[in-house]
Amino acid sequence: EPEVTQTPSHQVTQMGQEVILRCVPISNHLYFYWYRQILGQKVEFLVSFYNNEISEKSEIFDDQFSVERPDGSNFTLKIRSTKLEDSAMYFCASRRDSSADTQYFGPGTRLTVL
Amino acid sequence: AQSVTQLGSHVSVSEGALVLLRCNYSSSVPPYLFWYVQYPNQGLQLLLKYTSAATLVKGINGFEAEFKKSETSFHLTKPSAHMSDAAEYFCAVSDRSSNTGKLIFGQGTTLQVKP
Repeated sequence: EPEVTQTPSHQVTQMGQEVILRCVPISNHLYFYWYRQILGQKVEFLVSFYNNEISEKSEIFDDQFSVERPDGSNFTLKIRSTKLEDSAMYFCASRRDSSADTQYFGPGTRLTVL
Repeated sequence: AQSVTQLGSHVSVSEGALVLLRCNYSSSVPPYLFWYVQYPNQGLQLLLKYTSAATLVKGINGFEAEFKKSETSFHLTKPSAHMSDAAEYFCAVSDRSSNTGKLIFGQGTTLQVKP
């Protein structure tokens, strides 16, 4: 069964450094998402991406964040200058088409900012 | 704005007992409704979803949920808990009129199953 994959599984970085989190969505899916889950808190929407552009972003997704689908396969989330409060589990998700379709989630990348 | 409330951050049941996890939503129009499960150190897996038609939805692993518009609820049930059901459960909603389909999650409920 196709699945969403994410790399790395765990990333440790120093405050102020740039990080890139990588995701490979399911191949025939058209909509892509990033969510995050701070330890002990609920899963929060960050951004959605469709047709090679951002379709919606949350208040969390400020100028420090960017997304890219560089090669038709990978979907990346970049944090330009990490802060301590960016420490969280980041989930990538994808869905095929209709908003009624299931969003399939990857296993997540745990980001630790020191 | 849509919101989701899960009553009870922690639910504990005995093996073989009924599981009931509560979810209420706030939305002017009934949204799409989802239940996801998260096992330790894993991603989110869809248990079931309500998109239209049948209000009683059956999912994987013996779980089901009933959409009740009058109560704005979508509670998750399982007749008999198994040890392997111990996990974090998230209720989520998606706006039917939205093309982006972003999910808004509840706080989550940790299910503990005692032997």
